[in-house]
Amino acid sequence: AQSVTQLDSHVSVSEGTPVLLRCNYSSSYSPSLFWYVQHPNKGLQLLLKYTSAATLVKGINGFEAEFKKSETSFHLTKPSAHMSDAAEYFCVVRYKAAGNKLTFGGGTRVLVKP
Amino acid sequence: SQTIHQWPATLVQPVGSPLSLECTVEGTSNPNLYWYRQAAGRGLQLLFYSVGIGQISSEVPQNLSASRPQDRQFILSSKKLLLSDSGFYLCAWSGSSSYNEQFFGPGTRLTVL
Repeated sequence: AQSVTQLDSHVSVSEGTPVLLRCNYSSSYSPSLFWYVQHPNKGLQLLLKYTSAATLVKGINGFEAEFKKSETSFHLTKPSAHMSDAAEYFCVVRYKAAGNKLTFGGGTRVLVKP
Repeated sequence: SQTIHQWPATLVQPVGSPLSLECTVEGTSNPNLYWYRQAAGRGLQLLFYSVGIGQISSEVPQNLSASRPQDRQFILSSKKLLLSDSGFYLCAWSGSSSYNEQFFGPGTRLTVL
């Protein structure tokens, strides 16, 4: 079965320092990968997506993620955290064999300290 | 541009009462539509999805049902709410291609007392 693992349930960073959110997925020959952000009591907003084009994907708000097939990883990074980045982040996978269904990671809550 | 609406934004209901949550999409035709539930401190669980009017697929057995009476309208219902139905309900849409991402509505916070 498809699975997505976000390795950290909570991440705490200081404003202005780099952010790294880790995500690993179960192996598949044709996954599509997404990162979504959710602010408290809000819907999910798409940050970026990988769909078999360039392995380094740039998204909104300065985030980027790198698809590494050999490591089955899709980690999200940002060089300098901002207070507004405090939110929950979800790594999401879609497998071609599963149609349009998404498989969500458990989420990583990011705290940004001033 | 496409937009997705959900209402109500918040709802407090007694156990045993009925439920109707509505989701509508604007600016697109024949979208795939989805209902998710997010329990406190947990990820999203897919409840239902629909690829067309009157076509509903259920992902998990539960106390809820879904209907799609119009192309861009998706309704989540229950005849009798349970305490365990409390949560944050999110509607989403996507294009019909396998590679299209899903776009989420603002959500409905349901509290069953």
